[in-house]
Amino acid sequence: DVKVTQSSRYLVKRTGEKVFLECVQDMDHENMFWYRQDPGLGLRLIYFSYDVKMKEKGDIPEGYSVSREKKERFSLILESASTNQTSMYLCASSVPGQRSYEQYFGPGTRLTVT
Amino acid sequence: DAKTTQPPSMDCAEGRAANLPCNHSTISGNEYVYWYRQIHSQGPQYIIHGLKNNETNEMASLIITEDRKSSTLILPHATLRDTAVYYCIVRVERGTSYDKVIFGPGTSLSVIP
Repeated sequence: DVKVTQSSRYLVKRTGEKVFLECVQDMDHENMFWYRQDPGLGLRLIYFSYDVKMKEKGDIPEGYSVSREKKERFSLILESASTNQTSMYLCASSVPGQRSYEQYFGPGTRLTVT
Repeated sequence: DAKTTQPPSMDCAEGRAANLPCNHSTISGNEYVYWYRQIHSQGPQYIIHGLKNNETNEMASLIITEDRKSSTLILPHATLRDTAVYYCIVRVERGTSYDKVIFGPGTSLSVIP
């Protein structure tokens, strides 16, 4: 079974703090994604990585950066957390190409910025 | 991508089959039907996908009508743990290396003891 794990289920941070969210997958997937999910807005793609050290911006990359130093690990960084980044953050992975829509998600990190 | 229409909510008795319908009347020939679900406070879970043939895996069966304008996801023996929001999505399998998952409102399935 594909397993995608995220470093924390719940996180509370203060405005202005630097926040690291970690994601690890054990299926040797090339693709990894970071989404956020908010009520009424659905899933929105923040960043995507298709290989080690490779990344592409999604729909809402502002205020975020990512790092992929190893194939199994994809980190999301909030450079200076703000209250509007309070959200559920979801990591996903997939193989490339035709099956890239078959994505496997982690349990999510519910981040609260106060 | 074609639009999908799902009922906003459904109930199903525990142990019975849950049949979740999805209409996609504008689907085109190269668009696949995908199903995901999301249990409350958890990450989404891929269930199954298909093009025109019926598909079955360990989680569910996907029945696509001959004209492909609608489909049904079947959970053969629903359990309380199947209570979730179920999303039907129609997507072209693009030649790009990735694609982003986009959910509509979905169907909230409640499995009742």
